[in-house]
Amino acid sequence: DAMVIQNPRYQVTQFGKPVTLSCSQTLNHNVMYWYQQKSSQAPKLLFHYYDKDFNNEADTPDNFQSRRPNTSFCFLDIRSPGLGDAAMYLCATSRSRGVLDTQYFGPGTRLTVL
Amino acid sequence: AQTVTQSQPEMSVQEAETVTLSCTYDTSESDYYLFWYKQPPSRQMILVIRQEAYKQQNATENRFSVNFQKAAKSFSLKISDSQLGDAAMYFCAYRSLLDDKIIFGKGTRLHILP
Repeated sequence: DAMVIQNPRYQVTQFGKPVTLSCSQTLNHNVMYWYQQKSSQAPKLLFHYYDKDFNNEADTPDNFQSRRPNTSFCFLDIRSPGLGDAAMYLCATSRSRGVLDTQYFGPGTRLTVL
Repeated sequence: AQTVTQSQPEMSVQEAETVTLSCTYDTSESDYYLFWYKQPPSRQMILVIRQEAYKQQNATENRFSVNFQKAAKSFSLKISDSQLGDAAMYFCAYRSLLDDKIIFGKGTRLHILP
């Protein structure tokens, strides 16, 4: 049973052309996270939503935005993708922000920028 | 700032043998959590095992166990009786009790040789 779903699994966009990545969850979790994982590097947290409360990491570029229209869905918008934004983007959810609340990850969307 | 270091980019082990993945971290905090996550090829990342820093007893989950050396800031993962399904990227991770962020290492890719 899929719990954290990411669409599409592979996304190709052109330099500077806006792109949106999608994440949905069937767990009814309060928290949703977006991570960026570049090749051979550690996943890096971009931002997260606790319910409707948006929390941006200090070093996340302004080029990255997020929307969470309801509990189940969260979107990552890249306004003007650059070559350096090519990466795997991981969505994760957790019941709350408590440290004992496990984060459940989706399979990721691999973004290619041409 | 906390850091997590995995010094082995890749490792191989024969099926049914035991392998140990290394992880060191740096922090000035006394209470925190450490994790090992598994990311199989083209599949979602899942939590393998969790260790609470204030617990001296090493965590164990079936064939997976950790060697937690708090003074040395070392947190290695031992996989016993390795199986083909254990082939994956393994990430060591740290989480402060004061923060929502998980800090990941760069990962170790584990190959299982039949």
